[in-house]
Amino acid sequence: KAGVTQTPRYLIKTRGQQVTLSCSPISGHRSVSWYQQTPGQGLQFLFEYFSETQRNKGNFPGRFSGRQFSNSRSEMNVSTLELGDSALYLCASSLHSNTGELFFGEGSRLTVL
Amino acid sequence: AQKVTQAQTEISVVEKEDVTLDCVYETRDTTYYLFWYKQPPSGELVFLIRRNSFDEQNEISGRYSWNFQKSTSSFNFTITASQVVDSAVYFCALSEAPGSSNTGKLIFGQGTTLQVKP
Repeated sequence: KAGVTQTPRYLIKTRGQQVTLSCSPISGHRSVSWYQQTPGQGLQFLFEYFSETQRNKGNFPGRFSGRQFSNSRSEMNVSTLELGDSALYLCASSLHSNTGELFFGEGSRLTVL
Repeated sequence: AQKVTQAQTEISVVEKEDVTLDCVYETRDTTYYLFWYKQPPSGELVFLIRRNSFDEQNEISGRYSWNFQKSTSSFNFTITASQVVDSAVYFCALSEAPGSSNTGKLIFGQGTTLQVKP
């Protein structure tokens, strides 16, 4: 059974640009969550989608957005990139997200120069 | 406010030693879940265990064991006879009570880096 797949794995952007990250969940999983991991702030929840609807959102500015498609694949977008957006972005999928048993991908490492 | 504290930033042990990773949590909820995840160098978080707030039984899985004590709001993780492959960052996490307003959200501690030397 394939795990959670995130693309791209690594990318470098400059300030002011935007970026789109993709996540393919485990087959059959309808919930996708996104997390940002930085050395200073640790792991922080961005948002969660279920059946194409955003059900929960963390405390991030509106520059961070996401969506989910009918096949449960999800994308997140960060516009007007700032240096502080440099981080590992982790996607997780689950069958029942309200129980917290999340299965994570390897992440997309974003560097903003 | 909910919070998870892992006071140990880094731990270094020699192979075959036992090691305990501490986790203290804060929540006002009476129903919640606690988790441990392992993050190897590859980056993905690997699920190790989930415990709900009504189940204080300790659990053992091979060399891993967990001690949940509501009286001290702690959920500690012990690795017995550690191995080099156990080297990773370990995260303790808390999930709010199940409900439509908090789906998918885990509150993580800062993590403990465990280095097991041969």
